[in-house]
Amino acid sequence: GAGVSQSPSNKVTEKGKDVELRCDPISGHTALYWYRQSLGQGLEFLIYFQGNSAPDKSGLPSDRFSAERTGGSVSTLTIQRTQQEDSAVYLCASSWRAGAAQETQYFGPGTRLLVL
Amino acid sequence: QKEVEQNSGPLSVPEGAIASLNCTYSDRGSQSFFWYRQYSGKSPELIMSIYSNGDKEDGRFTAQLNKASQYVSLLIRDSQPSDSATYLCAVNEGNTPLVFGKGTRLSVIA
Repeated sequence: GAGVSQSPSNKVTEKGKDVELRCDPISGHTALYWYRQSLGQGLEFLIYFQGNSAPDKSGLPSDRFSAERTGGSVSTLTIQRTQQEDSAVYLCASSWRAGAAQETQYFGPGTRLLVL
Repeated sequence: QKEVEQNSGPLSVPEGAIASLNCTYSDRGSQSFFWYRQYSGKSPELIMSIYSNGDKEDGRFTAQLNKASQYVSLLIRDSQPSDSATYLCAVNEGNTPLVFGKGTRLSVIA
């Protein structure tokens, strides 16, 4: 596709369950980012991948959060033992290369997660 | 800690007026500057980018950059109710990913 895609678009889960969120970046983009946005708040950086390098996990809020990027393309964000405070919109973005001059990030539509 | 600061607003302007959105950043080595628009319930979309000092115009939008003052702004001329959204400033501060401000909420009153 032409843009960043994410699935599912909405996810409702029960507290304590694990969830997986998927992101498919723009073809050819080597950098992929995950953000979280709680209602009425700004973007909270979680993690980013640049090519095959080790990801920058500095924004992950706890060890319940992890992410993988297979084959330098699709990424999965996993939240284990979900808590109600994990309820938010999870946004994925991709760019040609992280930190490159004139780098532009393009966002997917997001996954709205609700933990009951 | 590299920071990008924006007034959270809301900034209210009447329809047809000029809306002025401001952003300051902490790292003098910053190279690239972006404005994203985010409608309620939607994801951010890129509306302007600017890389050198001065003004850059695109339709009703003008981005202004002053690296000496570490200041970037977005002007929206002839504001329309459809411009009501949150505007995010983002800065490329060297060899790291973009750093985003928390956004300014703009409300254009018909």
